[in-house]
Amino acid sequence: DVKVTQSSRYLVKRTGEKVFLECVQDMDHENMFWYRQDPGLGLRLIYFSYDVKMKEKGDIPEGYSVSREKKERFSLILESASTNQTSMYLCASSFWREGHYEQYFGPGTRLTVT
Amino acid sequence: AQKVTQAQTEISVVEKEDVTLDCVYETRDTTYYLFWYKQPPSGELVFLIRRNSFDEQNEISGRYSWNFQKSTSSFNFTITASQVVDSAVYFCALSGINQFYFGTGTSLTVIP
Repeated sequence: DVKVTQSSRYLVKRTGEKVFLECVQDMDHENMFWYRQDPGLGLRLIYFSYDVKMKEKGDIPEGYSVSREKKERFSLILESASTNQTSMYLCASSFWREGHYEQYFGPGTRLTVT
Repeated sequence: AQKVTQAQTEISVVEKEDVTLDCVYETRDTTYYLFWYKQPPSGELVFLIRRNSFDEQNEISGRYSWNFQKSTSSFNFTITASQVVDSAVYFCALSGINQFYFGTGTSLTVIP
């Protein structure tokens, strides 16, 4: 079974704090993704990575950075958390199979910034 | 541009009713894949089905069925005889070269 894990299910941080969200996958997938999910807006892509040390901006990268030092781990960093970053954060990994990508999700981290 | 539209934001049905969730997509690619995911209250997105652009056959899996129509760029999902456990947010998605494009989701509530 594909396993994507995220370091925390719930997180509460203060405005201005530096926040790290960690994601680990155990299936040697090339691609990893960070999404943000907000009511009425669906899933919006923040960043993705198609290889170690490689990253690409998604649709809403402002206020975020990422790090991928090892293939299995993809970290999302909020340099200075703000209240408008309160959201559900979903990590995913994908691999190429039979002509397409298959994507698997972690359980999500619900971040509250106060 | 790639885009997925789920016009239904929220749907409520009484248990045992049938319900159809709509999904309309836009893409310029000739080869693409469409997906449905379920997100129960626990939060984790669960993969339900994948369809490629060359296969317009409808698919049935138990109480679930999917209707893919390329002519109308739609990939609708029907739950027959709904159950309370079907209550969740359902997302339709389109696969691009490296990215997935998600609709805004439809929240389904099945009332006992």
